[in-house]
Amino acid sequence: GENVEQHPSTLSVQEGDSAVIKCTYSDSASNYFPWYKQELGKGPQLIIDIRSNVGEKKDQRIAVTLNKTAKHFSLHITETQPEDSAVYFCAASNNNDMRFGAGTRLTVKP
Amino acid sequence: GAVVSQHPSWVICKSGTSVKIECRSLDFQATTMFWYRQFPKQSLMLMATSNEGSKATYEQGVEKDKFLINHASLTLSTLTVTSAHPEDSSFYICSADRAIEQYFGPGTRLTVT
Repeated sequence: GENVEQHPSTLSVQEGDSAVIKCTYSDSASNYFPWYKQELGKGPQLIIDIRSNVGEKKDQRIAVTLNKTAKHFSLHITETQPEDSAVYFCAASNNNDMRFGAGTRLTVKP
Repeated sequence: GAVVSQHPSWVICKSGTSVKIECRSLDFQATTMFWYRQFPKQSLMLMATSNEGSKATYEQGVEKDKFLINHASLTLSTLTVTSAHPEDSSFYICSADRAIEQYFGPGTRLTVT
């Protein structure tokens, strides 16, 4: 089955700096890669996703890149703000079989 | 769009009792819904996949007789924790499938005393 690894487990950045979170996956059949943001006591919220036929996608301050050959994808947040502080999960999915990374706790210091 | 609700948001129950958690997709229909369990500071653990009109598919190690799932309509799935024990205390989250995307509910915190 699919195995998703996520790094780093914790990340602390200064407000205004960029943050990068990386994930690798094992199943070459995975074709959908979403990223979720989870705030304390709440459910995960889909913030951006990318499909296997695309190498990069951007939405304002967040972007995701995908390298299918190497089986890794990354989340990039630019100009970080304190409200970006949360736990971020990557996931890889093949026909609704979605597996999650272990999560990255991002702290943005004002 | 793509809003998923859960009810209740939190519940406290005594050992041996059963608790039902509802998951609703408010503005779309979901043939498939998923139930997850999350321990503090950990990732999401898939418990079962719920398909409308058919039996749920449980992940290995999840007791289907303890965690009863019913997906009676395209907008509602329920998870019933039967004969709850303190070790069942956790954060339970559902998600609903819209095409390839999954949208999560806000979660239900269950505390069994």
